[in-house]
Amino acid sequence: ETGVTQTPRHLVMGMTNKKSLKCEQHLGHNAMYWYKQSAKKPLELMFVYSLEERVENNSVPSRFSPECPNSSHLFLHLHTLQPEDSALYLCASSQVTGYPGGYTFGSGTRLTVV
Amino acid sequence: DQQVKQNSPSLSVQEGRISILNCDYTNSMFDYFLWYKKYPAEGPTFLISISSIKDKNEDGRFTVFLNKSAKHLSLHIVPSQPGDSAVYFCAASAGSGSRLTFGEGTQLTVNP
Repeated sequence: ETGVTQTPRHLVMGMTNKKSLKCEQHLGHNAMYWYKQSAKKPLELMFVYSLEERVENNSVPSRFSPECPNSSHLFLHLHTLQPEDSALYLCASSQVTGYPGGYTFGSGTRLTVV
Repeated sequence: DQQVKQNSPSLSVQEGRISILNCDYTNSMFDYFLWYKKYPAEGPTFLISISSIKDKNEDGRFTVFLNKSAKHLSLHIVPSQPGDSAVYFCAASAGSGSRLTFGEGTQLTVNP
């Protein structure tokens, strides 16, 4: 399989649940990203991993916890979320160096918190 | 502080006509600009880019224009097709390897 794959595509969870989003890339990229897309807002960068190290954490609440076990996999662990966290969560990958025309996005996970 | 702004949330054009999507930026350090296209239930896909050393880049029906003095770029699609209906995101970066900053997106609808 090629490209960036995200699972699950849809997720409905209660505020007390714990769940994880998974992202996998088969492009040989060495940087991975989590973005949040809410309606009528810009894509919000949440976390950046470069060469498997977290290099950016944009004031994201601690109820979101990323994990990057290797350069091909990225997780977003979720716990005690709020209804306002409902959004489309997008994973992307790229090469660290060079211009980022090569950002490749997954199809996203549509998260609904009830 | 919104460094990349797309002021039109939506645009509707007739098939065969030109679609013009606009984007403004405030950071003078931005030197590389991209347009991404997003269909519902899919992730954004790269469409076209332009470096600040150019003022125009063309790829088939898609042309991006950059006006550095006005800190403005635009995407022209001609002729527009119904399959072009999607959300278009403008993005910018400041230097090699730096992060992308995205605009809010513009929903383009091309009517048959």
